[in-house]
Amino acid sequence: DIQMTQSPSTLSASVGDRVTITCRASQSVDKWLAWYQQKPGKAPKLLISRASTLWSGVPSRFSGTGSETEFTLTISSLQPDDFATYYCQHYESYPGTFGQGTKVEIK
Amino acid sequence: EVQLVESGGGLVQPGGSLRLSCAASGFTVSSSYMSWVRQAPGKGLEWVSFIYAGGSTYYADSVKGRFTISRDNSKNTLYLQMTSLSGEDTAVYYCARSVDVVDGMDVWGQGTTVAVSS
Repeated sequence: DIQMTQSPSTLSASVGDRVTITCRASQSVDKWLAWYQQKPGKAPKLLISRASTLWSGVPSRFSGTGSETEFTLTISSLQPDDFATYYCQHYESYPGTFGQGTKVEIK
Repeated sequence: EVQLVESGGGLVQPGGSLRLSCAASGFTVSSSYMSWVRQAPGKGLEWVSFIYAGGSTYYADSVKGRFTISRDNSKNTLYLQMTSLSGEDTAVYYCARSVDVVDGMDVWGQGTTVAVSS
């Protein structure tokens, strides 16, 4: 099975900061990677598909880059609504493993 | 409106069984790629199972042989039959749709809680 490792696990930032989250795969997943945002008590929300495709309705301050084993999610200017936990997930094969999550907290 | 609504969760004893349902509206389950994802209390997301539009199914090793994913096209509903449940299966269970196999899960249900305890 392919393992996904996110870093950092927790990130403290202020409104307006540029934030970057990294996701590494234990083997190549090509571009078959998604990023999700989850707020407490809510279902996850798809932000990025195919590593870099911004999903419909997602603000343009979110962007995704990478391929094969190294991926990043960047929030260009952190907004109050962005404080949440972020997960990467590959879907190159099954099981489609999630990363352990990165919690973005208010500094 | 595109929507998924889960039901069927509850409290079950270790070794028991439960069937979760996920009713879809605004799209057709049989032509979509559907998943079950769970989240144990205070933990991250765990992929559980997937069914292709063509009917092929896949499972996480942790549930293989115990859980079965299926769908009823006439009811436009996805199911997860769970047997031999243990405390490690306690979680919120979400169903989710991928509009295409090359994309992530873009529509999620609100989740249904399964608690396994004596």
